[in-house]
Amino acid sequence: QKEVEQNSGPLSVPEGAIASLNCTYSDRGSQSFFWYRQYSGKSPELIMFIYSNGDKEDGRFTAQLNKASQYVSLLIRDSQPSDSATYLCAVDNDYKLSFGAGTTVTVRA
Amino acid sequence: DAGVTQSPTHLIKTRGQHVTLRCSPISGHKSVSWYQQVLGQGPQFIFQYYEKEERGRGNFPDRFSARQFPNYSSELNVNALLLGDSALYLCASRRDSRRDGYTFGSGTRLTVV
Repeated sequence: QKEVEQNSGPLSVPEGAIASLNCTYSDRGSQSFFWYRQYSGKSPELIMFIYSNGDKEDGRFTAQLNKASQYVSLLIRDSQPSDSATYLCAVDNDYKLSFGAGTTVTVRA
Repeated sequence: DAGVTQSPTHLIKTRGQHVTLRCSPISGHKSVSWYQQVLGQGPQFIFQYYEKEERGRGNFPDRFSARQFPNYSSELNVNALLLGDSALYLCASRRDSRRDGYTFGSGTRLTVV
């Protein structure tokens, strides 16, 4: 079983729609969860982090965490063409981040 | 503030050669980590250093080694390069707490021919 799994993409959404990204993790002791955005040919950029069960909102982004279900999600509201990228879910396991393979999102005009 | 800086940005090496990649963390960040990312996959953890001590090592062969200097900068060394070592090598730093997110540098693109 992989440590971190993300829903397979690619995900194509129309401009203005909501993009929903999902992630599950295997280590029940994990405490910190991150979403990174990675444009093609660039390095990952931190966009959201969450530690507590529930929702956390930051602008058009909402992260949701359910530790009982070992599930993290990211919602992107009012998707824009500039949101087209690969989104990486990362789980902090003490001294390292474990990443999923990423979900590629394409926002079509 | 300058971000995490890595050098060189691109590198082409021949099989069997050795390579050294360098990283300077954000000022005030004591933890430096190295990741390898191959196309289509998420970054894979190689090493973490904190206060010049190795805190963790990923599932990589002994050909990979690293160190952290008193100014918190770091080097990643790879010996006896294989074609499969071709990847984007990312350095990341964070301040102290596990609740601080890691900030990544722009990476070094290594091609082994």
